[in-house]
Amino acid sequence: ETGVTQTPRHLVMGMTNKKSLKCEQHLGHNAMYWYKQSAKKPLELMFVYSLEERVENNSVPSRFSPECPNSSHLFLHLHTLQPEDSALYLCASSQVRGRDEQFFGPGTRLTVL
Amino acid sequence: GDSVTQMEGPVTLSEEAFLTINCTYTATGYPSLFWYVQYPGEGLQLLLKATKADDKGSNKGFEATYRKETTSFHLEKGSVQVSDSAVYFCALSDWTGNTGKLIFGQGTTLQVKP
Repeated sequence: ETGVTQTPRHLVMGMTNKKSLKCEQHLGHNAMYWYKQSAKKPLELMFVYSLEERVENNSVPSRFSPECPNSSHLFLHLHTLQPEDSALYLCASSQVRGRDEQFFGPGTRLTVL
Repeated sequence: GDSVTQMEGPVTLSEEAFLTINCTYTATGYPSLFWYVQYPGEGLQLLLKATKADDKGSNKGFEATYRKETTSFHLEKGSVQVSDSAVYFCALSDWTGNTGKLIFGQGTTLQVKP
């Protein structure tokens, strides 16, 4: 595997379910990000992890819970979601230095029924 | 705070037409600037970047020049192809401490017709 991978690619869940999204980067980076992409809305940064420490939480509801066990893996745990949480969830990684760009995974398309 | 503004889409062009997608930004400091492209059903891919004023980023026939005096980073391509149909995002880097985050524009959809 190369680059940034995300699983699953598609997920349908009910409002009472608990599920997790997984992201793995194979680039040797030490910062990882979760973004939400909804139709007709700009990309929204949700969480930032730098050197495995959460450094940003952009007022995301507590029904979204991130976890970063090491610099290569990032999870987003989901519980009691709402239909408006349906979106494409994108993971990205970068090097914590200078002006390096972020590399994105293919995303998980989430539908909440 | 920092922000990015892109021209509204969709932009519809015929194959081999000239493309310009406007992007302007507001920022404190000296951000890096990026263009990302998102093909249907995929994540974002870096198309090109520029890290300082007057730098020109280029890739796959696309170009953009970092213009500090006009705070712009317009994307251009001389001759578009059907395969260029995608959503294009302009972004700037916003660094706080040792962590950067990207500020994105709203995206511009490009449709190229044969």
